[in-house]
Amino acid sequence: DGGITQSPKYLFRKEGQNVTLSCEQNLNHDAMYWYRQDPGQGLRLIYYSQIVNDFQKGDIAEGYSVSREKKESFPLTVTSAQKNPTAFYLCASTSGDEQFFGPGTRLTVL
Amino acid sequence: QQQVKQSPQSLIVQKGGISIINCAYENTAFDYFPWYQQFPGKGPALLIAIRPDVSEKKEGRFTISFNKSAKQFSLHIMDSQPGDSATYFCAASNSGSGSRLTFGEGTQLTVNP
Repeated sequence: DGGITQSPKYLFRKEGQNVTLSCEQNLNHDAMYWYRQDPGQGLRLIYYSQIVNDFQKGDIAEGYSVSREKKESFPLTVTSAQKNPTAFYLCASTSGDEQFFGPGTRLTVL
Repeated sequence: QQQVKQSPQSLIVQKGGISIINCAYENTAFDYFPWYQQFPGKGPALLIAIRPDVSEKKEGRFTISFNKSAKQFSLHIMDSQPGDSATYFCAASNSGSGSRLTFGEGTQLTVNP
């Protein structure tokens, strides 16, 4: 089955902890993206990567970090510096102009 | 210049009616305009997309109308069904920007039975 997988589906974090969200794709797509979605709002771009070992900040990168060591994987770390991390996080990858999304991870800070 | 403005924020339509969602953009370099459908707790799914060389694209009950001079595009859902109840996002990108999409803020559509 081809597609984008994100894990875990739900994640709970205590204040002050770093957590890492997983995103894997087997579509052989070069570009991958991380978005944050807050209730009733649109998608805001956190980071994106167009090629292995390279990535760029999006519009709201502060408090987040990423790596792109493999074409298939683009993990996102939410650091303790992110003051309001509770949100729905979406990973996407691109074939040409078409962008495909994973099922999302809902992060809640306790 | 990078904004995409979407309206209305919410929309209630009766079953069988036409749902219309509008988007406006400023950046004339945008050359790809997709619409996404998102159900609660799920990732957005690509619904239909258009490029500026055509003024309309239809796929089943879904139609995109594109007005290049006005820098506006809209989604029409014909014969709306309760199963169409979801949040719809318009977006735009410039092929030269590496497919980075700029999203509208979304429209929550409710189709009453």
